[in-house]
Amino acid sequence: GQQVMQIPQYQHVQEGEDFTTYCNSSTTLSNIQWYKQRPGGHPVFLIQLVKSGEVKKQKRLTFQFGEAKKNSSLHITATQTTDVGTYFCAGRMNTGFQKLVFGTGTRLLVSP
Amino acid sequence: GAVVSQHPSRVICKSGTSVKIECRSLDFQATTMFWYRQFPKQSLMLMATSNEGSKATYEQGVEKDKFLINHASLTLSTLTVTSAHPEDSSFYICSTLGLSVSDTQYFGPGTRLTVL
Repeated sequence: GQQVMQIPQYQHVQEGEDFTTYCNSSTTLSNIQWYKQRPGGHPVFLIQLVKSGEVKKQKRLTFQFGEAKKNSSLHITATQTTDVGTYFCAGRMNTGFQKLVFGTGTRLLVSP
Repeated sequence: GAVVSQHPSRVICKSGTSVKIECRSLDFQATTMFWYRQFPKQSLMLMATSNEGSKATYEQGVEKDKFLINHASLTLSTLTVTSAHPEDSSFYICSTLGLSVSDTQYFGPGTRLTVL
């Protein structure tokens, strides 16, 4: 079946350091979405990337979609303690009901 | 963005009982709804996809007779966990999708199920 992997699984940084999580799909995607989930909460939508090679920015967050539409990355510049949480990529599949398959997630811990 | 509600937010039940979870799309018509399950410190795993008025499509390994899904209207989908066991304890999250492939998928707040 379709698989979406993320690395690293976990990262602990000092406040002010940068952070990057990488997402790789076994199949080509229609689009990719990124979510943030705080402990005990539900996933909160961050952004969607549709076009091959697309780059989008949201303040300190930069999202990229690979040329082959099989990989993506999220980069956070100068992390803050409020960035703590688990970041999931989710790939929209080119099949049937266009289901969204979540990546394995990267848990980010930021120390002050 | 769209608002999706789930009820109940938390439920504790005895082993062997059935639990129904409701997912409502409050401000738009959801032709497709997805049900996910998330175990502690793990990712969201898609259980099934339901389309209004038709049978749900279940992912491999998900028992359709145990997890009954009904998508009776464009604003309501229900997931019933039948004869629940402790291993069914999990966080269940529904999500809605509109009519276009580029539509953002909106998630409900989730239901924490604990089976004793």
